[in-house]
Amino acid sequence: EPEVTQTPSHQVTQMGQEVILRCVPISNHLYFYWYRQILGQKVEFLVSFYNNEISEKSEIFDDQFSVERPDGSNFTLKIRSTKLEDSAMYFCASSGDSGLPSTDTQYFGPGTRLTVL
Amino acid sequence: LAKTTQPISMDSYEGQEVNITCSHNNIATNDYITWYQQFPSQGPRFIIQGYKTKVTNEVASLFIPADRKSSTLSLPRVSLSDTAVYYCLVGGTNAGKSTFGDGTTLTVKP
Repeated sequence: EPEVTQTPSHQVTQMGQEVILRCVPISNHLYFYWYRQILGQKVEFLVSFYNNEISEKSEIFDDQFSVERPDGSNFTLKIRSTKLEDSAMYFCASSGDSGLPSTDTQYFGPGTRLTVL
Repeated sequence: LAKTTQPISMDSYEGQEVNITCSHNNIATNDYITWYQQFPSQGPRFIIQGYKTKVTNEVASLFIPADRKSSTLSLPRVSLSDTAVYYCLVGGTNAGKSTFGDGTTLTVKP
């Protein structure tokens, strides 16, 4: 069964450093997403991406964040200057295009645990 | 996006049927209802999705009344491994965000 993969599984970084989290979505999917989950809290939407551009973003997704699809398979989330409060699990998700509205399920990756020291 | 309300927690015992109800009074005509399961330190996992009436798959059933203002996820004969957080989401159009609520923490006891 196809699945979303993410690397690394755990990233430790110093405050102020740049990090890039990587995701390989399911191959025939067209829509890509990043979410985060701070320990003990709910899953929060960050950004959605379609046709090589951001389609929607939350207030969390400020100028420190950027996303990119550098090639036909990877989808990355970059945090330019990490802060302590960026420590969280980051989940990538992807969904396909069934041609029907509201039916395409988002499939989530296993997550990257980001720890900012 | 329609707001959802679920019980914060539920307890059950192995072998029992568990029903988790979600309220979504402001559901829109085009919205679908999707349920996810999440284990600690893992990504949410799709369980089931429906629009109206009843949907069943190998894992669960989803019951949606005619007014679609609520839905009930039914897990038959739960086991210890079903202990997880269950999220009800409404909407889910492509390129649209999925808004997760607080979810229901299900604890299955031996």
